[in-house]
Amino acid sequence: AQTVTQSQPEMSVQEAETVTLSCTYDTSESDYYLFWYKQPPSRQMILVIRQEAYKQQNATENRFSVNFQKAAKSFSLKISDSQLGDAAMYFCALGSGYALNFGKGTSLLVTP
Amino acid sequence: DAGVTQSPTHLIKTRGQQVTLRCSPKSGHDTVSWYQQALGQGPQFIFQYYEEEERQRGNFPDRFSGHQFPNYSSELNVNALLLGDSALYLCASSWRGEETQYFGPGTRLLVL
Repeated sequence: AQTVTQSQPEMSVQEAETVTLSCTYDTSESDYYLFWYKQPPSRQMILVIRQEAYKQQNATENRFSVNFQKAAKSFSLKISDSQLGDAAMYFCALGSGYALNFGKGTSLLVTP
Repeated sequence: DAGVTQSPTHLIKTRGQQVTLRCSPKSGHDTVSWYQQALGQGPQFIFQYYEEEERQRGNFPDRFSGHQFPNYSSELNVNALLLGDSALYLCASSWRGEETQYFGPGTRLLVL
């Protein structure tokens, strides 16, 4: 069975500061992908960043970067220079095969 | 580039009724996955359709069924609705079932 755990139900960050969201996972598969999705109040699930497990280099997309620790099965998301528009639920997801397995999410609040 | 679309946006049904939700995949995509997201939870995988066949199914009862049409659009049908079926239903599309899935805005179903 595959599991994804997000241990931070809520996080808060000030505008322009940096915040890190945590995610741990468990899988017996050797070939898998990891994702961070953002879900604002509008409900649309938006892909933020993805990481292939076979790649050692951490993925980066503009202000978003990940710290992928394969041996520790850890996949954290760092948001730099936080903006008000970053406020949303953030979901970590594990993909192996056809289905995505999601964590319960972390609610990110951005304060001015 | 048309994204994933879903209809309707909201739906209210009563217990025991049947409901059909619709999804059109992102342009160029041929695979559709359905997820159920209960309030305060991460999405749960229902099933995936590829080449008009159900390719994988999550832990959902047979009351949940689906269909994929030759134009790659898809329907999710739920029979004998229960109060616990109230949720946001998300459709996601991908190309040939690759791991990166793009989500639609969802259909909010309320069962009374």
